[in-house]
Amino acid sequence: EVQLVETGGSLVQPGKSLKLTCATSGFTFSNAWMHWVRQSPEKQLEWVAQIKAKSNNYATYYAESVKGRFTISRDDSKSSVYLQMNSLKEEDTAIYYCTLQLAHWGQGVMVTVSS
Amino acid sequence: DVVMTQTPLSLPISLGDQASFSCRSSQSLLHSNGNTYLAWYLQKSGLSPQILIYRISNRFSGVPDRFSGSGSGTDFTLKISRVEPEDLGVYYCLQHTHLPYTFGAGTKLELK
Repeated sequence: EVQLVETGGSLVQPGKSLKLTCATSGFTFSNAWMHWVRQSPEKQLEWVAQIKAKSNNYATYYAESVKGRFTISRDDSKSSVYLQMNSLKEEDTAIYYCTLQLAHWGQGVMVTVSS
Repeated sequence: DVVMTQTPLSLPISLGDQASFSCRSSQSLLHSNGNTYLAWYLQKSGLSPQILIYRISNRFSGVPDRFSGSGSGTDFTLKISRVEPEDLGVYYCLQHTHLPYTFGAGTKLELK
């Protein structure tokens, strides 16, 4: 069974950093393309970032709204994907979901950016 | 960015009725590889989105056959043949042909 478990959500001040972790199991992680998607308090879903597999040179892609501030990475030895979020803004407040190929989703983790 | 427009915003329905959801994209979702990456999701209250349909019309594993997807190019439809209580929630479409990938705003399926 595919499992995706996000951790690392928190209340953080604007301008600070936070790192989310998605621990996975139940599939061959090293071959998987992984994504982060977020959902605003207004319930709008927004794709955030993607990382491809080693065979695709770990290519990464980002939404314009997070480019230069967020970094997606992975550790195939730990079957985990990460989202490093720097220079956080209030508009980054959302539930962050880790997804396997946009098909399987984790339960999500809340990030609140507020002073 | 590709804009995904879902209509209606809300769909009041009676159990057992057919439901139809529309999703239109601002440009064709046909990829150069011949596939069209349009998916449908249902988000029930308090839960993560769950995939129903991928590549326009393919039901994901375990999805009942009362769900069907159709369309091409820029115009897509999700239908539920007979709505059951567990089908209530918000339906989203997603295009992942063009970066950045984009979602529609959702259609809320609720009881009349």
